[in-house]
Amino acid sequence: DAKTTQPPSMDCAEGRAANLPCNHSTISGNEYVYWYRQIHSQGPQYIIHGLKNNETNEMASLIITEDRKSSTLILPHATLRDTAVYYCIVRGETSGSRLTFGEGTQLTVNP
Amino acid sequence: DGGITQSPKYLFRKEGQNVTLSCEQNLNHDAMYWYRQDPGQGLRLIYYSQIVNDFQKGDIAEGYSVSREKKESFPLTVTSAQKNPTAFYLCATRGAEVGNYGYTFGSGTRLTVV
Repeated sequence: DAKTTQPPSMDCAEGRAANLPCNHSTISGNEYVYWYRQIHSQGPQYIIHGLKNNETNEMASLIITEDRKSSTLILPHATLRDTAVYYCIVRGETSGSRLTFGEGTQLTVNP
Repeated sequence: DGGITQSPKYLFRKEGQNVTLSCEQNLNHDAMYWYRQDPGQGLRLIYYSQIVNDFQKGDIAEGYSVSREKKESFPLTVTSAQKNPTAFYLCATRGAEVGNYGYTFGSGTRLTVV
């Protein structure tokens, strides 16, 4: 799997947009970018994924650069319940079966 | 509803005892995984299975054992050989739909050695 790099921590004010970056410069053409989050003492939760185009769902938006070497997860109106560790992972059908999580980004939403 | 069930949610074990953590899924996914998470740390892969009756060691398999006799079930046994078993254990499955090879996680089992 392509290696990803994320900042260890970020802060955001409640109600503002949270923009979480991820670098994946070694991504290959068939690999997707996935984002998960883990709230304390719970299992990681799927947020969104994409290949080339920007994606949006009810939870977040995913912006992938044209060269696909980096992406940004956007939480448009962060709430206190969005405080969690956010993981960016790159995978494809031929990536093999192992899944490796990095350290992720600890997002703290402040009132 | 479809998903992964891990049980029990909390488990206490005396030193020297083996203990088995349950993971059951009804997602019809072939691949299943066990991860360990220590406080403030990321997830580390213990074992994984891509298909029934087959499994591979992950990065920290020592002191653990698994079986995969049914597609729906992937139990993890923490043996007495595991020197520091107190941790949060997560089971996951991987989808195989075209365009979505993402993972679904259970809610975890917190194991404490007393």
